[in-house]
Amino acid sequence: EDQVTQSPEALRLQEGESSSLNCSYTVSGLRGLFWYRQDPGKGPEFLFTLYSAGEEKEKERLKATLTKKESFLHITAPKPEDSATYLCAVHHPWRDDKIIFGKGTRLHILP
Amino acid sequence: KAGVTQTPRYLIKTRGQQVTLSCSPISGHRSVSWYQQTPGQGLQFLFEYFSETQRNKGNFPGRFSGRQFSNSRSEMNVSTLELGDSALYLCASSFYSGDLFPGELFFGEGSRLTVL
Repeated sequence: EDQVTQSPEALRLQEGESSSLNCSYTVSGLRGLFWYRQDPGKGPEFLFTLYSAGEEKEKERLKATLTKKESFLHITAPKPEDSATYLCAVHHPWRDDKIIFGKGTRLHILP
Repeated sequence: KAGVTQTPRYLIKTRGQQVTLSCSPISGHRSVSWYQQTPGQGLQFLFEYFSETQRNKGNFPGRFSGRQFSNSRSEMNVSTLELGDSALYLCASSFYSGDLFPGELFFGEGSRLTVL
């Protein structure tokens, strides 16, 4: 069955300590991969869309990359305000155009 | 530009009751999707409406239903509530225009349902 798996489930970093979050997928014929940020008690907020392997997108301290099997969200020199849950989602064109979400990575940046 | 608005934000119901949640999408967005979010299962797709028609449906029982109005506003209804229906219900709109790619989703802040 098609899946979107995010790892790690939770990550604690010191302020300034760079790291990467992983999103692996088994969807064939991927048409698009999304990254969202979700703060507690809020709805997810759109960050990036990636369409093809090799593509990269950046926003402030975040950079998203895409390969044929996975995507990484790199966080460079994070600050406490980057603490949130980061969600990955894929557009599955062969299953009625659904957007399928992973369970997310809870990121906590310690000051 | 106003974002996606969901009402009510919080509600408490008892088992067996029914509930209706409302969603007003971003102006110009014709697609509205609904998701259920729980700590254990994450974001689970409920259904999507486009131009008043249900375009997609997730794997939820028939107790979960929805509709979309001509102004793109949407409602979802859950009948005969069960304890397991306690969750954050999120509505998202997108500028889907009938093409293959639905585009990014813009979420509301959700309706937090507690079933006692």
